[in-house]
Amino acid sequence: DTEVTQTPKHLVMGMTNKKSLKCEQHMGHRAMYWYKQKAKKPPELMFVYSYEKLSINESVPSRFSPECPNSSLLNLHLHALQPEDSALYLCASSLQSGSQAEKLFFGSGTQLSVL
Amino acid sequence: QKEVEQNSGPLSVPEGAIASLNCTYSDRVSQSFFWYRQYSGKSPELIMSIYSNGDKEDGRFTAQLNKASQYVSLLIRDSQPSDSATYLCAVMMGYSTLTFGKGTMLLVSP
Repeated sequence: DTEVTQTPKHLVMGMTNKKSLKCEQHMGHRAMYWYKQKAKKPPELMFVYSYEKLSINESVPSRFSPECPNSSLLNLHLHALQPEDSALYLCASSLQSGSQAEKLFFGSGTQLSVL
Repeated sequence: QKEVEQNSGPLSVPEGAIASLNCTYSDRVSQSFFWYRQYSGKSPELIMSIYSNGDKEDGRFTAQLNKASQYVSLLIRDSQPSDSATYLCAVMMGYSTLTFGKGTMLLVSP
């Protein structure tokens, strides 16, 4: 099983809504990531969790709040987003973070539209 | 500034030809290099990894690494229309996380 599962696949929300993106993997990976990708741009790293602890926060606005309930699950809580936050949000996992041989496996992504 | 550079393309090749995708990186101590394929509206999919100088072959794909020149490439033999996608080069710089290039769009015409 080399799958990272993300839900929902599509999300439309207003600027006053609160929503959550969910990610799950059962590969025994100990590092999980959130990336944001705009059209025709490369993925931009947002957060890294290593062994369920937040290890990297790339100066992401506080309207994005990550949570790692256990080694298999990763959430991204969204509140008071702006239209410019509309993007494809990608979850990824790897065996461990900061490893010289880090291979990322991506989920299918959540296409988010903020109205 | 640690950077990964790719020609954005599009690179157009006829079906059956060899497609050659190139990537350069700025950090000399980089040790791990990856190629991801991304179809429009989909997530990136890892297709090749390479860690030492030389060539690494996997089916129709060959990754080539030259650390002295800070250059990594991906060759796709017998290109198929289904290979049409954006190819992202990603480099592990030092002990940090991956740095992605902007990607090269490949178009394979029947």
